[in-house]
Amino acid sequence: AQSVTQPDIHITVSEGASLELRCNYSYGATPYLFWYVQSPGQGLQLLLKYFSGDTLVQGIKGFEAEFKRSQSSFNLRKPSVHWSDAAEYFCAVASSGYSTLTFGKGTMLLVSP
Amino acid sequence: GAVVSQHPSRVICKSGTSVKIECRSLDFQATTMFWYRQFPKKSLMLMATSNEGSKATYEQGVEKDKFLINHASLTLSTLTVTSAHPEDSSFYICSARNQGGTGELFFGEGSRLTVL
Repeated sequence: AQSVTQPDIHITVSEGASLELRCNYSYGATPYLFWYVQSPGQGLQLLLKYFSGDTLVQGIKGFEAEFKRSQSSFNLRKPSVHWSDAAEYFCAVASSGYSTLTFGKGTMLLVSP
Repeated sequence: GAVVSQHPSRVICKSGTSVKIECRSLDFQATTMFWYRQFPKKSLMLMATSNEGSKATYEQGVEKDKFLINHASLTLSTLTVTSAHPEDSSFYICSARNQGGTGELFFGEGSRLTVL
C-alpha cells in the first residue's frame, strides 16, 4: 500500500527566508506525486505535480519540488517565503495519473515577520 | 482553473438530524467525485468515490448507511450525514475529476459540520 510521511508537523520560517518542506513516500512502482496547499477553512489547491520526466518541477506561487527516487522523497521548496504562504501543506501520492490520492498528515507553515 | 463549489460552507445541526452537503463542478463535467473527511490536525481521509449514475464506492470503515452519497448528474454529488452525532463533526471536502480535460482533481472549499 502506498503511504506518505511528512515528518514536520509545524515549521516556522522568517519572511524572506528560504523554505523546504519534507515529504517521503512509500510505493512500489513509479509514483505520481503532488503538493497541495490549504488555507484555514478552505479546500485544497494544487501547487505542483510530478508524473514523469524532469525530476525538478515548477509550480505556482514560486514553489518547486524535486523528485529523488533514491531517497523516496519529493521535497517542496521556495527560495523566499512571503507572509501569505502561511498555510498547511499536504504531500500526496497516487498510483497513476489521477487515481485515488493518499495524503500525508500535512505540515503547517508559520511565517514570522 | 476549474471550480468546484461546496455548499454549505458551515452547518450546525442537532444530534439525530440529517445534513446534506452539495458538491458541484461549476465549469466542467465530473463523472467521478471524491469525498474526504478531515479531522483537526490530521490528514484527509478518503471516505468514498462517487460515480455518476452508479453506487458510490466506500472505503473500509466508512458506514455507507450513515454517509449517503448520491451522484445524480455530471456536475453534482451530495453527501448526506444521517442521524448525525457529535462525533460526526468534522470538515468534509469533495473533489471532482475533470474528465474532459487533463483528468486533474479539483477540490471544493470544504464544509464544516458541527453537531450539537
